[in-house]
Amino acid sequence: GAVVSQHPSWVICKSGTSVKIECRSLDFQATTMFWYRQFPKQSLMLMATSNEGSKATYEQGVEKDKFLINHASLTLSTLTVTSAHPEDSSFYICSARGSDPASYNSPLHFGNGTRLTVT
Amino acid sequence: QKEVEQDPGPLSVPEGAIVSLNCTYSNSAFQYFMWYRQYSRKGPELLMYTYSSGNKEDGRFTAQVDKSSKYISLFIRDSQPSDSATYLCAMTYTGNQFYFGTGTSLTVIP
Repeated sequence: GAVVSQHPSWVICKSGTSVKIECRSLDFQATTMFWYRQFPKQSLMLMATSNEGSKATYEQGVEKDKFLINHASLTLSTLTVTSAHPEDSSFYICSARGSDPASYNSPLHFGNGTRLTVT
Repeated sequence: QKEVEQDPGPLSVPEGAIVSLNCTYSNSAFQYFMWYRQYSRKGPELLMYTYSSGNKEDGRFTAQVDKSSKYISLFIRDSQPSDSATYLCAMTYTGNQFYFGTGTSLTVIP
């Protein structure tokens, strides 16, 4: 159980275009989803926390107008990288935590990540 | 001081060895502790999840938490080449904020 599906697994786009990444919880409802960015050989850097039905909370230094997050349902969150530039090239990973009150402190379950390359 | 400290390695062991991976932390409020395994170009995979102090065993993996020392460990017995990956520790006290170590790169040599 607790499967998080992330799509696409990799994407190449041209500078100036937008890219949407989807994150789905397949067998549980996720009130909270987290979006991370990971550079080579570095740990996870939290970008934003999204709660179903409300605006995402962005970490300091993350441009909310550039990284649009939508969490419209309990099983789907999307990250859209708008007007992508080569410096946005990175590995983006989503994670989710369950909504069951009994699992309030349940662990995070991660998607398999999306490798974005902006040319 | 970082909230969570983890030796990045790299750590290289022969097949069959016992591997010990460790993290220290500074916030005594942390209650829930996790270990993740991350293969190259993949998302982290949950290995162990423990609450408060004590040991938890799952197959070849044992997670240990010592809250008095603010120290957690992951032991891997009979290590296999397929265990070669980066191991991340993580912890939380609110369930809304998770703190990660930088990850330890492990290579198990056949």
